[in-house]
Amino acid sequence: GQNIDQPTEMTATEGAIVQINCTYQTSGFNGLFWYQQHAGEAPTFLSYNVLDGLEEKGRFSSFLSRSKGYSYLLLKELQMKDSASYLCAVRDQRAAGNKLTFGGGTRVLVKP
Amino acid sequence: GAVVSQHPSWVICKSGTSVKIECRSLDFQATTMFWYRQFPKQSLMLMATSNEGSKATYEQGVEKDKFLINHASLTLSTLTVTSAHPEDSSFYICSARDQATQAFFGQGTRLTVV
Repeated sequence: GQNIDQPTEMTATEGAIVQINCTYQTSGFNGLFWYQQHAGEAPTFLSYNVLDGLEEKGRFSSFLSRSKGYSYLLLKELQMKDSASYLCAVRDQRAAGNKLTFGGGTRVLVKP
Repeated sequence: GAVVSQHPSWVICKSGTSVKIECRSLDFQATTMFWYRQFPKQSLMLMATSNEGSKATYEQGVEKDKFLINHASLTLSTLTVTSAHPEDSSFYICSARDQATQAFFGQGTRLTVV
């Protein structure tokens, strides 16, 4: 099975930086995804890492270390609209359909 | 990016009735679709993996006779919640994957059983 852990909640100030950590344990790792989900809406894709290193996309960056089973999502220049849940998901190549397993999500609250 | 359309966005039904939710991939062929359920303030829980032309693979603890999944074409999968009860009230989300990397999510369906 898989075990994916991420903090439950984080609070940050507008304009600041927040780092959301995700640790995972899986036997058939085949990629890690980060999604953003606003309340009552479906998740939207943010980033994908399959190799070690940092992927930067505008204000959002995602890092992966496969040997450590660790990833983080970095949100820079926080805006009020960034208040949402951020979901870490791991793909298992040994599972039917290369399914994604989601962590519990991290609720980020951005304050003025 | 690819578009996945899920319908309806919300539905209210009486206890004991059945509800069908559709998930369509609009601009790509989805060989695999996934159905998730999400309770308030919780993460997405995978219910089943649906492959075109074959039986769905259900996750442990998900009743296959209660949650009927049909994936008859490469662009359409349906989830039918049979004999719905108030505890089935939840946010149901589908995602579709083509041969490439990521899966795309539908808009979600909020089911309320009264």
